[in-house]
Amino acid sequence: AAGVIQSPRHLIKEKRETATLKCYPIPRHDTVYWYQQGPGQDPQFLISFYEKMQSDKGSIPDRFSAQQFSDYHSELNMSSLELGDSALYFCASSLSGSNQPQHFGDGTRLSIL
Amino acid sequence: DQQVKQNSPSLSVQEGRISILNCDYTNSMFDYFLWYKKYPAEGPTFLISISSIKDKNEDGRFTVFLNKSAKHLSLHIVPSQPGDSAVYFCAASATSFQKLVFGTGTRLLVSP
Repeated sequence: AAGVIQSPRHLIKEKRETATLKCYPIPRHDTVYWYQQGPGQDPQFLISFYEKMQSDKGSIPDRFSAQQFSDYHSELNMSSLELGDSALYFCASSLSGSNQPQHFGDGTRLSIL
Repeated sequence: DQQVKQNSPSLSVQEGRISILNCDYTNSMFDYFLWYKKYPAEGPTFLISISSIKDKNEDGRFTVFLNKSAKHLSLHIVPSQPGDSAVYFCAASATSFQKLVFGTGTRLLVSP
């Protein structure tokens, strides 16, 4: 079965640079979520989209923005990168509605030098 | 403020025995609970879920129990297999906000 695809898997950037992470949800899934997992921490919710509209927002810095496109893929744009942004970034997708499990991609490991 | 807690950072079990992983939550708004398994360098893999209208859900070797009055859920794996060795995360969400709130994880080691 098709899973959530994230690209790139690894990304190395320097401070103050920008980065774009991409997420391709499971076919027919209309809701996309982004999470950030720091070293030794549990995943923290950043932002979600349903039918191309932002549906919820968590602890996402103002330097980050995201959108969902007409084909339901999503991109997380990160600017003015800081050392503290080094983390695993997971994308998840689900069907809309109550009690729908989120299915996760394998993440993008972002390292800031 | 950790709304979902997994108080055991690790658990060791012998192959064939039962593994019991526990999770506590504080937010009464949570009405949907999930368990994920995570291997290194991979994303969390969905295992099993339960809604607050049930107290038990079973899927093969995996059973999740929910005690709403105690705000406690547990995942039972029986029989445990060495391939079950991974980090297990408990997660919760609410109808009003579908984002997942994760626990800190329990590392399960199943030895042959």
